[in-house]
Amino acid sequence: DAGVIQSPRHEVTEMGQEVTLRCKPISGHDYLFWYRQTMMRGLELLIYFNNNVPIDDSGMPEDRFSAKMPNASFSTLKIQPSEPRDSAVYFCASSLPNQPQHFGDGTRLSIL
Amino acid sequence: EDQVTQSPEALRLQEGESSSLNCSYTVSGLRGLFWYRQDPGKGPEFLFTLYSAGEEKEKERLKATLTKKESFLHITAPKPEDSATYLCAVQALRTDKLIFGTGTRLQVFP
Repeated sequence: DAGVIQSPRHEVTEMGQEVTLRCKPISGHDYLFWYRQTMMRGLELLIYFNNNVPIDDSGMPEDRFSAKMPNASFSTLKIQPSEPRDSAVYFCASSLPNQPQHFGDGTRLSIL
Repeated sequence: EDQVTQSPEALRLQEGESSSLNCSYTVSGLRGLFWYRQDPGKGPEFLFTLYSAGEEKEKERLKATLTKKESFLHITAPKPEDSATYLCAVQALRTDKLIFGTGTRLQVFP
C-alpha cells in the first residue's frame, strides 16, 4: 500500500533559482496539505487543497511561493526566486474527510 | 488564536523508566487532538486522535489522555525503539487545518 510520495528527497540549489517540489498523495484521498518544518518554528501549514481546489493558502509566506494541484494524483510547490531563508524540510500530507493526515518523508531543501 | 505548547522540549529516559509528555492547547472549539511520532529523516506518523475530555487511547506502551486544556502522552516502561520526536496537533471546528506544537524529543537509552 503506497503512502504519500514526495520528490526529490533532497534539493540543494543556489539563491535565485526556481525550486519545484512534487507530491503524489495516497490514491482516493480528497485532501492534500503542504507543510514546512524548521527547528525554530516547527511544522507549519502552507496551503491545503480539497478535491484539487486550494482552500486555504494563508500560510504561504509570500508571492514567491505557489502551489498547484492539476489532478487528484499530483501536486507541486514552487519557489521562485528561492532565498536562503527558504531552507527547510517540506512535507506533503493527504487524508480522507475527517480522518488523520498521512505524511510523506519530505524534501530537505537547502538554498545556498 | 489557536495554539499548542508541548513540554518538555527534550526528555531522556532510561529503559523501563515511565514518564509523560504534555501538550497544552487553546482552540476555538476542539474538533480533535492528534498525536504523531516522527523519526529522524521521516515524516510524522499518526498515533492517536482524541475528540473529547476524558477520552483515552492506548497502543502498546503509549497511552494518550485528554482534558479541556491539555493532553498527556504516557509512556510505560519505554524501550530504546520508542526514541523519537512526539508531536501534538489540534484541529478546530469548521476547519481541516492542524496546528502543531514544536514537539518533545524523547531519547530512551539502555
